Amino acid sequence: GAVVSQHPSRVICKSGTSVKIECRSLDFQATTMFWYRQFPKKSLMLMATSNEGSKATYEQGVEKDKFLINHASLTLSTLTVTSAHPEDSSFYICSARELAYIQYFGAGTRLSVL
Amino acid sequence: LAKTTQPISMDSYEGQEVNITCSHNNIATNDYITWYQQFPSQGPRFIIQGYKTKVTNEVASLFIPADRKSSTLSLPRVSLSDTAVYYCLVGSSSGTALIFGKGTTLSVSS
Repeated sequence: GAVVSQHPSRVICKSGTSVKIECRSLDFQATTMFWYRQFPKKSLMLMATSNEGSKATYEQGVEKDKFLINHASLTLSTLTVTSAHPEDSSFYICSARELAYIQYFGAGTRLSVL
Repeated sequence: LAKTTQPISMDSYEGQEVNITCSHNNIATNDYITWYQQFPSQGPRFIIQGYKTKVTNEVASLFIPADRKSSTLSLPRVSLSDTAVYYCLVGSSSGTALIFGKGTTLSVSS
């Protein structure tokens, strides 16, 4: 199947700093990518839909100024958690949809804010 | 709001066949049914996708009745490594995101 690469896999940062997470589709072009957040023992929650060349669409309750999304090319979307605080600590997962209507997911990024 | 309903948990033993049924009563005409497997601290892994009848690949089978209001993921001869959370999702080809339900936690014992 198609491969979605997510980097870094784990990041620890101090409160108040910003963290950038990259999501790349390695063997296909993705005009649309998605960002999810997952708390321990819970399901994935959709945060936003990232569209190449346009503004992201955020789900209700997700602060767009806190979670900046950039989708500058057909293979790369980034999520920046700005001024991170301990409550932003979570597992962030990206996905990209390829032509056969299948969404492929990255391995996830574990963010720990101290 | 998730479009699907699955059992919260299932238990099995190594070598048995496991069938996980998912209810999606409000499935739309252009919706596909997709199943994912997720291990702790990893992203979901695609297992199988179907639209109607039966689909089979090297790891699983997916059975979809004619009314498409439910589907069953069949895992033949499970092993300990199949212990994971399994998600059933429905989504269209329009490009909208998949919305996850609670999933089914499968525990396989020896």
